[in-house]
Amino acid sequence: ILNVEQSPQSLHVQEGDSTNFTCSFPSSNFYALHWYRWETAKSPEALFVMTLNGDEKKKGRISATLNTKEGYSYLYIKGSQPEDSATYLCASGGSTLGRLYFGRGTQLTVWP
Amino acid sequence: ETGVTQTPRHLVMGMTNKKSLKCEQHLGHNAMYWYKQSAKKPLELMFVYNFKEQTENNSVPSRFSPECPNSSHLFLHLHTLQPEDSALYLCASSQDIRSTEAFFGQGTRLTVV
Repeated sequence: ILNVEQSPQSLHVQEGDSTNFTCSFPSSNFYALHWYRWETAKSPEALFVMTLNGDEKKKGRISATLNTKEGYSYLYIKGSQPEDSATYLCASGGSTLGRLYFGRGTQLTVWP
Repeated sequence: ETGVTQTPRHLVMGMTNKKSLKCEQHLGHNAMYWYKQSAKKPLELMFVYNFKEQTENNSVPSRFSPECPNSSHLFLHLHTLQPEDSALYLCASSQDIRSTEAFFGQGTRLTVV
């Protein structure tokens, strides 16, 4: 079992604020790190898949970094908007094919 | 729309009932998964199918019985469930089990009374 931790558990920010949250995972047997965005009553939506140490990925105002040696990833949102309100999940794929270990998620609320 | 459809979206069943959850994917994927999310817990993998063959059962009780008749369809048959089995059940698919990029359905919210 891989222990994937996310912090904070929840976050409330004002529209326009930039924010970031953390995902930590065991660095041994690392395979891939995934970030998902999950809006209420919808499917989790894949944001990024990251595999290489030092990887940085960007999609619009959202970006993510990866440090496989120390076992953490950061997700950044620049200029948060109310539509960014969702739960952000990270998952680490271990050495067992097909298995993703998820964190509990960070619930982000952006107030107008 | 992720290309993965689950039915029903909501289900209430008694402990003596038998019901089934259905998942269908239109992505041409060969691997399908059942996940469970209980309140305040992480998503937990239940079963993995690759090319219709079950490759993983994560110590799931036998009252949950999966079926994968073809690569596009996945079922979860439920019988004699307990109230603690109430949870959100999510289906996902990926190209195959070597591809960890999974596409999820919207889930079935199950309540066992």
